[in-house]
Amino acid sequence: YELTQPLSVSVALGQTARITCGGNNIGSKNVHWYQQKPGQAPVLVIYRDINRPSGIPERFSGSNSRNTATLTISRAQAGDEADYYCQVWDSSPVVFGGGTKLTVL
Amino acid sequence: EVQLVESGGSLVQPGGSLRLSCAASGFTFSSYEMNWVRQAPGKGLEWVSYISSSSSIIYYADSVKGRFTISRDNAKNSLYLQMNSLRAEDTAVYFCASLIVGATYLDYWGQGTLVTVSS
Repeated sequence: YELTQPLSVSVALGQTARITCGGNNIGSKNVHWYQQKPGQAPVLVIYRDINRPSGIPERFSGSNSRNTATLTISRAQAGDEADYYCQVWDSSPVVFGGGTKLTVL
Repeated sequence: EVQLVESGGSLVQPGGSLRLSCAASGFTFSSYEMNWVRQAPGKGLEWVSYISSSSSIIYYADSVKGRFTISRDNAKNSLYLQMNSLRAEDTAVYFCASLIVGATYLDYWGQGTLVTVSS
């Protein structure tokens, strides 16, 4: 199973960023999202499509339908600049997307 | 506080072996499934291996199958990765990551340990 993410997304400070994750009928799977800043370990920011772990700001939200899952970051801040990875559980069993670099302008 | 601390990474020659360890604390290790995930320099995340809480189910990525062996010791709250026949393409930071039984997401991650395969 393959997950496709854009290599990069740019967003103006204070605006909304949307990072997509494409996969065949991904809407039937649970999609999870991780944030990774340079030199740090990944951090779970969304699990099971729409849920935020404790400590993750409400500005982070997720959706998943048909062939595309989306991570939405509202009111983007400079501290949101990072790489973001989607992940699903499949026959492999853990599958990651290629990652998206978010730049906050 | 949940902590996962990897160790054992170093410089090793092609064809060599290395054993990574991951020490867990702050949670009931025996109730969690565990994974190894790696990240080559400048690249994305690549899942390497999975082990169930009781060690009864184990999976490997095709890229490491037959060369790497995952194991755990619940009495010592520790996870291991025995890496044999190492190749240059195994060069990466190796993270251990936990997954509570029944979940499909990796909730806690260690800071990683660097493995460099080079002559």
